[in-house]
Amino acid sequence: GQQVMQIPQYQHVQEGEDFTTYCNSSTTLSNIQWYKQRPGGHPVFLIQLVKSGEVKKQKRLTFQFGEAKKNSSLHITATQTTDVGTYFCAGRSNYQLIWGAGTKLIIKP
Amino acid sequence: GAVVSQHPSRVICKSGTSVKIECRSLDFQATTMFWYRQFPKQSLMLMATSNEGSKATYEQGVEKDKFLINHASLTLSTLTVTSAHPEDSSFYICSASTSGVGTQYFGPGTRLLVL
Repeated sequence: GQQVMQIPQYQHVQEGEDFTTYCNSSTTLSNIQWYKQRPGGHPVFLIQLVKSGEVKKQKRLTFQFGEAKKNSSLHITATQTTDVGTYFCAGRSNYQLIWGAGTKLIIKP
Repeated sequence: GAVVSQHPSRVICKSGTSVKIECRSLDFQATTMFWYRQFPKQSLMLMATSNEGSKATYEQGVEKDKFLINHASLTLSTLTVTSAHPEDSSFYICSASTSGVGTQYFGPGTRLLVL
């Protein structure tokens, strides 16, 4: 079946370091969405990418959609404690939303 | 804008009873609502997609007779867990969208504990 693989599962970083999570789909996606879930909270929509090769920025967050519309990444520059949480990608394919397993961002004490 | 509420936020029930969870879009009309289940430290698992006025589409492996979904209006969908068992204990999250392929706005979730 259709799958979206998201890696890594966890990433431990020092505050101020960068963070990146990647999503790869087994099929071409019509769009991909990114969500953030804070510990104990519910997922919050961050952004949607639709176009091949699209790059969007939100302050320290950079989102990319691959040329083949099968992969996507989220990069956070200079992480802060407020960035802690799990980041999910969700790809749209054939009117289904296929979720990645999420990448948990952990800031080292 | 785009606020989605869920009620109740937490519920504890006895095994064998039924529990109804409501999902409401407060400031927009949601033609499509989604129901998810999330186990601790795991990704969201889509259970079903419901469109206003029609039967829900269930994902493979989700029992439609156990998880009854009703989407009677453009602002309300309900999920009823019938004859709940301890293994049904989970975090249930709904989301709402103005279309089946557009942005989803998530509710805060309902934590169900079946004793």
